Amino acid sequence: KAGVTQTPRYLIKTRGQQVTLSCSPISGHRSVSWYQQTPGQGLQFLFEYFSETQRNKGNFPGRFSGRQFSNSRSEMNVSTLELGDSALYLCASSMAGTSGGETQYFGPGTRLLVL
Amino acid sequence: SQKIEQNSEALNIQEGKTATLTCNYTNYSPAYLQWYRQDPGRGPVFLLLIRENEKEKRKERLKVTFDTTLKQSLFHITASQPADSATYLCALPGDSNYQLIWGAGTKLIIKP
Repeated sequence: KAGVTQTPRYLIKTRGQQVTLSCSPISGHRSVSWYQQTPGQGLQFLFEYFSETQRNKGNFPGRFSGRQFSNSRSEMNVSTLELGDSALYLCASSMAGTSGGETQYFGPGTRLLVL
Repeated sequence: SQKIEQNSEALNIQEGKTATLTCNYTNYSPAYLQWYRQDPGRGPVFLLLIRENEKEKRKERLKVTFDTTLKQSLFHITASQPADSATYLCALPGDSNYQLIWGAGTKLIIKP
């Protein structure tokens, strides 16, 4: 079974621009979670989607948004980029979500650098 | 709200010894706690899950304990090898559904 894929793997943008990151979960997984990881910080939860519905959202500004398609693929968008948005963005998939302790399967991440 | 603390300093262990990593949480006891391994430039990989009614879980050279009185989980790697060098993260359910909260991770370095 193919793992979680994320595109692009690396991205360089300038302040004020916007960016869209893509995540394809493992086949059959309907839950996709997005995280931001910066050096020395734990994974910071962005949002979780299940069957095209956002079920939970972390404490990030409205510049961060996401969506999920009918095939469970998910995208996240960051508008009006700031220097502090430079981070590794990870997505994780599971069958139904984290409530029952399901294993999260992570993609390799997209490393975003904002100049 | 629930918070997780992991030792932010790197842990240096001699090959063959047992490495012990700590994960402390601050508030209510979670229904479960998970441990993941993360290598540089990669996403975390699931290792073990332990539920609140379990005191200990083992998988090959790995052992996890869960002490709800101390609000702590310990992660042990016995007979450690240089290939075990990585950052180890603990995660547990957040205050709201469908959300995990994560520790910052402990970097483990196994020296030959």
